[in-house]
Amino acid sequence: SSEVTQDPTVSVALGQTVKITCQGDSLRSNYASWYQQKAGQAPVVVMYGKNKRPSGIPDRFSGSALGNTASLTIIGAQAEDEADYYCNSRDSGDNEWVFGGGTKLTVL
Amino acid sequence: QMQLVQSGAEVKKPGASVKISCKASGYSFTSHWMHWVRQAPGQGLEWVGIINAGDGTTEYAQKFQGRITLTRDTSTGTVYMDLISLRSEDTAVYYCARDQSQLDTAMILYWWFAPWGQGTLVTVSS
Repeated sequence: SSEVTQDPTVSVALGQTVKITCQGDSLRSNYASWYQQKAGQAPVVVMYGKNKRPSGIPDRFSGSALGNTASLTIIGAQAEDEADYYCNSRDSGDNEWVFGGGTKLTVL
Repeated sequence: QMQLVQSGAEVKKPGASVKISCKASGYSFTSHWMHWVRQAPGQGLEWVGIINAGDGTTEYAQKFQGRITLTRDTSTGTVYMDLISLRSEDTAVYYCARDQSQLDTAMILYWWFAPWGQGTLVTVSS
């Protein structure tokens, strides 16, 4: 099965913009979905498809994709956005799904 | 509202097996697939497998082939994950998550997982 990779840690100043990226061959043919996980909680989807945001997710979250890279952007990061973020994609070869290793976002 | 409620924590010895349940409510159970995802302590998310709650078709991650069985009970709206030959590396929180999929305007199918269960901690220790 293929892999998707993420930067382990990213930090952003309060109110600034941050982009979290995910790279992998499967992303050339499949959209990524993005999950936010806060300490001790189950993950929650924050983005999927072509920049689709579930109800209840603030519009400061947006998604994009280019080539083998998917990105989750937060414009005007808030303290409550501090969390681990995971991308997920269907494997382009096997009938499996794969998660990135996760990015720990720190809001300074 | 849509909800997935999982069974409680388990403590098992190496070599034993464990069966975890995930009860769905608030949507048409047989119309969706259900994923299982696990997370070892301090680690990331790992996809385990998926079951079609309608016809019982399953797909498993290669690393779990031969040790995992996913089943469902349509009368109760419950999905089960059975993992055998447990080892210490199987210690993790196991989540169920409903599969959602949609076709976009370019006829590209995309997927996402929502909602998620609250997680079940499985501890494997001698």
